[in-house]
Amino acid sequence: DGGITQSPKYLFRKEGQNVTLSCEQNLNHDAMYWYRQDPGQGLRLIYYSQIVNDFQKGDIAEGYSVSREKKESFPLTVTSAQKNPTAFYLCASSIQVNTEAFFGQGTRLTV
Amino acid sequence: RKEVEQDPGPFNVPEGATVAFNCTYSNSASQSFFWYRQDCRKEPKLLMSVYSSGNEDGRFTAQLNRASQYISLLIRDSKLSDSATYLCVVTQPGRRALTFGSGTRLQVQP
Repeated sequence: DGGITQSPKYLFRKEGQNVTLSCEQNLNHDAMYWYRQDPGQGLRLIYYSQIVNDFQKGDIAEGYSVSREKKESFPLTVTSAQKNPTAFYLCASSIQVNTEAFFGQGTRLTV
Repeated sequence: RKEVEQDPGPFNVPEGATVAFNCTYSNSASQSFFWYRQDCRKEPKLLMSVYSSGNEDGRFTAQLNRASQYISLLIRDSKLSDSATYLCVVTQPGRRALTFGSGTRLQVQP
């Protein structure tokens, strides 16, 4: 089955810890994204990557870091510098930037 | 002004009703438009793309009005299973990721 897999589904973090959220896709998509969603709000862009070994900051990148060493993988690290990390984190991919995106099931992070 | 604005609702409608949502966008150069559906505590899923000429998929019709900078979604013969939040999504020049509205919540009642 082709798709996007995020893990873990739920994550609890103590203050001061860094945690890494996994995102893997087997759709052969070039572009990948990380969004954050807070209760009752829309999605806000954290980071995006157009191609392997390249990534760009989105609107709320402070306190987060990413890597894109493989086409299939785009992990997100939530660092201790992120002041309000509790949220629903969504990874997405698309054939190329600015085309329809497909989402993983999300990770709920609680601090 | 927000880049993408939607009425948050909720829209409470009876089964079988027709309901319409509008969404306005601020950048007149936006190129692509989509509607996504998001169930409670789940990921968004693509409902349909919105084309300049308008398009229909079963009970769902999407339309684009570039002059007034809005897109709309019409749902006919509402089902209980249509209850969800509907997200308006646009692309913007110079921004290489989709921009999401905050969503409109629909509750279809028996």
